[in-house]
Amino acid sequence: GESVGLHLPTLSVQEGDNSIINCAYSNSASDYFIWYKQESGKGPQFIIDIRSNMDKRQGQRVTVLLNKTVKHLSLQIAATQPGDSAVYFCAEITLTGNQFYFGTGTSLTVIP
Amino acid sequence: DTEVTQTPKHLVMGMTNKKSLKCEQHMGHRAMYWYKQKAKKPPELMFVYSYEKLSINESVPSRFSPECPNSSLLNLHLHALQPEDSALYLCASSPYQRGNEETQYFGPGTRLLVL
Repeated sequence: GESVGLHLPTLSVQEGDNSIINCAYSNSASDYFIWYKQESGKGPQFIIDIRSNMDKRQGQRVTVLLNKTVKHLSLQIAATQPGDSAVYFCAEITLTGNQFYFGTGTSLTVIP
Repeated sequence: DTEVTQTPKHLVMGMTNKKSLKCEQHMGHRAMYWYKQKAKKPPELMFVYSYEKLSINESVPSRFSPECPNSSLLNLHLHALQPEDSALYLCASSPYQRGNEETQYFGPGTRLLVL
């Protein structure tokens, strides 16, 4: 089947720096994408999504970029804080057939 | 109410026990999901219910038996589990409106340990 993967399994950043988490996907028919944050012992928490007809979407301190040419998705976190330490998953959704695939995850550690 | 709740939070069971995991949402969502998640891995889809009917079973062993009594509740009945079934079991729900974004909202999970 289709797969969604991440380039970096772990990422360490200094508090206050910006973080970039990447995700590669393979299904060009995917309709939209979601970034989830999962803290230790908790379920995945929705952060931000983006439709396939968009290139960029901004939230509070987070920006998602979508490059359909190279099938690449990224999550940028501005002024990273210790509370941002978690595993981040991208998810790829194809509305036809209600297909929902998670990427492999990136563990973000923020160094105070 | 924008939460998915799951009980119990933790569960320890022997291989001969029968137990059930429970999930509840009051967002009017018509699709509900069970996922299994091992440490440092993404969630793996087990079952999908849409409009209280089982629509997807990802080749899950019969020792896991899902049940959807109504649109707000989802159960997972466990019997004769193996130690390798120890994992975090996540429930999620989504609106299930064709053509619209199908964001899944997750519960906190049940941490299961099979001895």
